[in-house]
Amino acid sequence: SAVISQKPSRDICQRGTSLTIQCQVDSQVTMMFWYRQQPGQSLTLIATANQGSEATYESGFVIDKFPISRPNLTFSTLTVSNMSPEDSSIYLCSVGPGSLNEKLFFGSGTQLSVL
Amino acid sequence: GENVEQHPSTLSVQEGDSAVIKCTYSDSASNYFPWYKQELGKRPQLIIDIRSNVGEKKDQRIAVTLNKTAKHFSLHITETQPEDSAVYFCAASIWSGGSYIPTFGRGTSLIVHP
Repeated sequence: SAVISQKPSRDICQRGTSLTIQCQVDSQVTMMFWYRQQPGQSLTLIATANQGSEATYESGFVIDKFPISRPNLTFSTLTVSNMSPEDSSIYLCSVGPGSLNEKLFFGSGTQLSVL
Repeated sequence: GENVEQHPSTLSVQEGDSAVIKCTYSDSASNYFPWYKQELGKRPQLIIDIRSNVGEKKDQRIAVTLNKTAKHFSLHITETQPEDSAVYFCAASIWSGGSYIPTFGRGTSLIVHP
């Protein structure tokens, strides 16, 4: 299985600020995904990040609020911009199955609290 | 888009009993169905998966069944143990642009009483 390192593991932020979450994979992967998991809820896909192209956002998520970078095949960042308390969630990166036997693995997650 | 329904939302069993979690999906193009276990404060961990060309798959105490005609799949845990207590998520996945893109169910909180 892929090893996915995500940081920070948790942060407490003030309203109106931004936080950038980093995701590093130990192998080259075509697609990386960013999910949000609100307290007690399921996993909601924010966007899909392919290297060398703009991220594809799901309904309800926009680039201005959640800009994503994908500079190479092993790394991606998600920024949560102009945060409000409603952004308090766990944010998870994951790597797409691609050639890895159709298995989706998750990073350790970032627990974000916005005051 | 795909819609995944998962039931029950909470399941309480006695240690040693069996537990069954059921999911239905809407898009017949879905052909990969993983199940994840998430313990409190941890990331979701893949525990078993099944593809559309297989009806059943078993791994020790856990098994998954798939009925593609009816568009439903189930997770079966036998001889449950307190360590099985967690939230379980099913997902239905469609191949798109070079990867499977999963849609997750809302989760089942399994509580195993010693």
